[in-house]
Amino acid sequence: SYVLTQPPSVSVAPGKTARITCGGNKIGSKSVHWYQQKPGQAPVLAVYEDSDRPSGIPERFSGSSSGNTATLTISRVEAGDEADYYCQVWDSSSDYVFGTGTKVTVL
Amino acid sequence: EVQLVESGGGLVKPGGSLRLSCAASGFTFSSYSMNWVRQAPGKGLEWVSSISSSGKYIYYTDSVKGRFTISRDNAKNSLYLQVNSLKAEDTAVYYCARDPSIAAAGTSWLDSWGQGTLVTVSS
Repeated sequence: SYVLTQPPSVSVAPGKTARITCGGNKIGSKSVHWYQQKPGQAPVLAVYEDSDRPSGIPERFSGSSSGNTATLTISRVEAGDEADYYCQVWDSSSDYVFGTGTKVTVL
Repeated sequence: EVQLVESGGGLVKPGGSLRLSCAASGFTFSSYSMNWVRQAPGKGLEWVSSISSSGKYIYYTDSVKGRFTISRDNAKNSLYLQVNSLKAEDTAVYYCARDPSIAAAGTSWLDSWGQGTLVTVSS
C-alpha cells in the first residue's frame, strides 16, 4: 500500500512562512491534495491537484510537488492558520491515501 | 451551498451494529461519487468506503471488508453506511464527503465534508 509521511509538527511565527512536507514514493507523479482541520471541526479542502485552491481559500496557501516530496506552503501565517494539515493522494491499489498529519502551531 | 449532515452514531457494544446516514443538499447528489472517512480519537484521517454516482462501483478499505456496507438512495439524496460486527478499533468520528473529480482526472479528492457522527464501540 502507498504511504504518505508528514512531520508531526511545525511551528512558525506570525507573518512568517510555514512549509509542510509530505513524502511518498514518486509522489511527484501523482496529484496531491491538502486539507486543513481545526480542532473539533471537519476537514476543509485547502489545495487540490497539487496547487489549485478552492474558492474561499486565501492565496497565502500554495502547493508544489516534485520527486518524492510534496509541499504545502502557507505565507504570511496568521493565528487562524493553526490547525492540523493532511496531504492526500489517490492510488489505484489503495484508493484515497491520507498522510499522517502535521500540527501547525503559530507561536 | 453544499451541505452534508451525518447521523446515526452512538455507543454500541463490540459485535453490535449501526446504520449511519448522510443527508445531502445544495448540489445534484446523483452526479457525485460519495465517501465515508473516519477519524479515531486523536488520530489521523482514514478512508473507509466509496460509492460511485450510480451506486454501481463500491470500494472498501481492507479492515472493514465484509463488515461494512455502503449504499445510497439518489431519490432521497442520502448516503448510508451499515456497520456490523463492530470492534473497539472502529471507534471514530465518521465523516461523509463528496468527490468532485471526474474519471479522466486520474485522481480523486474530497471537496465537501459533513460535521461527522461519532461511533463509540465499548462494553
